[in-house]
Amino acid sequence: DGGITQSPKYLFRKEGQNVTLSCEQNLNHDAMYWYRQDPGQGLRLIYYSQIVNDFQKGDIAEGYSVSREKKESFPLTVTSAQKNPTAFYLCASRPGTGDEKLFFGSGTQLSVL
Amino acid sequence: SQQGEEDPQALSIQEGENATMNCSYKTSINNLQWYRQNSGRGLVHLILIRSNEREKHSGRLRVTLDTSKKSSSLLITASRAADTASYFCATDARGFKTIFGAGTRLFVKA
Repeated sequence: DGGITQSPKYLFRKEGQNVTLSCEQNLNHDAMYWYRQDPGQGLRLIYYSQIVNDFQKGDIAEGYSVSREKKESFPLTVTSAQKNPTAFYLCASRPGTGDEKLFFGSGTQLSVL
Repeated sequence: SQQGEEDPQALSIQEGENATMNCSYKTSINNLQWYRQNSGRGLVHLILIRSNEREKHSGRLRVTLDTSKKSSSLLITASRAADTASYFCATDARGFKTIFGAGTRLFVKA
């Protein structure tokens, strides 16, 4: 079954802790994305990657870090520098060859304890 | 900052009526896309319209694009209770950076 898998579905962070959200895709897509969604709001771009070993900051990258060591994986770390991390995090991917739709995972809800 | 701004923010209609949502954006685009999101879920792609297209149809969906006004509209005809969801426009400008608007919450009453 092809698609994007995000894990965990729910995650809790303690004060001063770094946490990592997983995103894996088996669609053979080159481009991958992380978005943050606050309640009742739209999606804001955190980071995106067009190809392995390369990524760019989106509009709200501060307090977050990513890596793209493998084509199928694009993990997001929420660092202790992100003071308001409670949100719904969405990962997406697309083939990366032109005008294309995004395929989304089912999201991770991150909350602060 | 968000590229697209949808209006209305919320829309409540009766089943069978048409629903129209609008999206405005700020910079030149390669394409504009519409997505649907059910509460607490990921987004699902509905339709993509390229900058050189003016109108596109897919089933009960009709999308228009006016690049001179930097705006788009999504029309859902003969709405159903199952259409209740949030709808977002998204734009691709330079490269692969895809930016979303704030969304319209649609509620269809049975």
